[in-house]
Amino acid sequence: EVQLVQSGAEVKKPGESLRISCEGSGYEFTHFWIGWVRQMPGKGLEWMGIIYPGDSDTRYSPSFQGQVTVSADKSIKTAYLQWNSLKASDTAMYYCVRQPGPRDGFDVWGQGTLVTVSS
Amino acid sequence: DIQMTQSPSSLSASVGDRVTITCRASQSINRYLNWYQQRPGKAPKLLIYTTSSLQSGVPSRFSGSGSGTYFTLTITSLQPEDFATYYCQQTYTSPWTFGQGTKVEI
Repeated sequence: EVQLVQSGAEVKKPGESLRISCEGSGYEFTHFWIGWVRQMPGKGLEWMGIIYPGDSDTRYSPSFQGQVTVSADKSIKTAYLQWNSLKASDTAMYYCVRQPGPRDGFDVWGQGTLVTVSS
Repeated sequence: DIQMTQSPSSLSASVGDRVTITCRASQSINRYLNWYQQRPGKAPKLLIYTTSSLQSGVPSRFSGSGSGTYFTLTITSLQPEDFATYYCQQTYTSPWTFGQGTKVEI
């Protein structure tokens, strides 16, 4: 079965760093793009960035460029989303997604990781 | 960025109804338009890609059409499990952008 399994919910304080993960299984990890999508409480979907684990080609939405880092370790079939200094406004559900090609839809979704940032 | 606008934002319907949701792009996106369904508390699910291609496992009561800047998602004979929020998304130009969502309620 093709699936993306994300790390568990996190509660952090403003200014703290965080890295969440997304492990792919059931398919050739290096042959598909992995992206991240944010959903703030009660709101819609926002695409953040994407990486091709085969060669680490990474692209960001301008809205998130410089705010987060997308990376991947193909040896353990895992992608990451990282913050160096969290803000309260980063509180959201974060989904990882698989994308077969740059113009394809997101055909597999992780279960989501809820990040809560509060003092 | 390409703006995606869905209408309506919400609608009420009954089991068995035919429902159509529209999605307009702020500029031409060819046919690079996808539709997702999100049930409450769940991750979104890809329904239709490239305007009209049905994702594997998705019931045939879902269909999509359009091109350029105007697209539609149609659900024929609405079922109880179809009550959810639907999002369109363009993958023509980065950053990929979503519509604001259409909530289909009973």
